[in-house]
Amino acid sequence: DAGVTQSPTHLIKTRGQQVTLRCSPKSGHDTVSWYQQALGQGPQFIFQYYEEEERQRGNFPDRFSGHQFPNYSSELNVNALLLGDSALYLCASSLEGPNYGYTFGSGTRLTVV
Amino acid sequence: QKEVEQNSGPLSVPEGAIASLNCTYSDRGSQSFFWYRQYSGKSPELIMSIYSNGDKEDGRFTAQLNKASQYVSLLIRDSQPSDSATYLCAVNGSSNTGKLIFGQGTTLQVKP
Repeated sequence: DAGVTQSPTHLIKTRGQQVTLRCSPKSGHDTVSWYQQALGQGPQFIFQYYEEEERQRGNFPDRFSGHQFPNYSSELNVNALLLGDSALYLCASSLEGPNYGYTFGSGTRLTVV
Repeated sequence: QKEVEQNSGPLSVPEGAIASLNCTYSDRGSQSFFWYRQYSGKSPELIMSIYSNGDKEDGRFTAQLNKASQYVSLLIRDSQPSDSATYLCAVNGSSNTGKLIFGQGTTLQVKP
């Protein structure tokens, strides 16, 4: 049973560029959430997708956008990259509802130079 | 006030001891609570969930919840060096849509 898969695992981008991160949820999961984790910090909620719609959003600027496809996979796009966007980006999938814990992917390490 | 607060540590315990990790949260309407373990350089892994006041045991792990005090804790009995990791407390807020809010994590060091 495949877990959550993310790609790429590592990425180096230049300030001002755009990046797309991809996530395939665990089989049977229909909800995808994206988190940003800076070194030494807990994951910060970016947004959550369910039924191809953004259901909730954290305190992130509009430069962060996303999409969920009919097969439940998801993308995170970040435009106009800043040095401060350097972090581990985590995708998590779950069943819909408040009582289901997340299954995390291994993450994408983004470095902006 | 942070929504979910944890002492960043490090918490250092000898092998075989009980490790006690604590977490407080601000949203009184929160309904679901989770503990994740994160090894250095890895992604978080779910180890416990708790929804009702009281204790929930799973092997060497016990989660404790006190909604009146807005407090959740994780006890690890017979701590092993392999338990050395960062433990993240996560809370589902009163909006009940599945959005988890994480604390900053507590680093646990178990010394042989």
